[in-house]
Amino acid sequence: GQQVMQIPQYQHVQEGEDFTTYCNSSTTLSNIQWYKQRPGGHPVFLIQLVKSGEVKKQKRLTFQFGEAKKNSSLHITATQTTDVGTYFCAGPADSNYQLIWGAGTKLIIKP
Amino acid sequence: DTGVSQDPRHKITKRGQNVTFRCDPISEHNRLYWYRQTLGQGPEFLTYFQNEAQLEKSRLLSDRFSAERPKGSFSTLEIQRTEQGDSAMYLCASSFPTSGRLGEQFFGPGTRLTVL
Repeated sequence: GQQVMQIPQYQHVQEGEDFTTYCNSSTTLSNIQWYKQRPGGHPVFLIQLVKSGEVKKQKRLTFQFGEAKKNSSLHITATQTTDVGTYFCAGPADSNYQLIWGAGTKLIIKP
Repeated sequence: DTGVSQDPRHKITKRGQNVTFRCDPISEHNRLYWYRQTLGQGPEFLTYFQNEAQLEKSRLLSDRFSAERPKGSFSTLEIQRTEQGDSAMYLCASSFPTSGRLGEQFFGPGTRLTVL
């Protein structure tokens, strides 16, 4: 069945270092969404990418959608403690009624 | 607060009991989703409503699970004869109607279910 895979599962960084999470789909996606879930919280929408090769920026966050629309990445520059949480990508299933979610990448700031 | 609300926030039950959860979506949203999330995993789709119509239900979902959205506003999710494997966070989300693709989903705080 349709799958969305994310790597790595965890990333430990020093505050100020960069962070990247990668998302790969088993099928071509019409669009991809990114969400952030803080510890103990619920997923919060960050962005949606629609076009092949699209790049969008939100302050220190850069989102990319691959040319083949099967992969995506999120890069955070100079991480801060407020960035801590789990970042999920999600793409529409063939039915277009549901999102298929990756397992997430947990960003951990080393003390 | 006009966000998505869920009730209760926590539920502890004994195996074999029935439980019911409620979700109140953002009022202008006609799309409503139920998800289940376990530790270290992304949300797992359970079911989707557009207004009062249940348009999709996960094939992985047991017959013990049922959901309703009788008037196209709030929704309930019932689990009958709970099992320990049902222990999870149950999340509700809603979204605006969009043409052609799924839009941004707004999540509620979730109901954490513990089955003893």
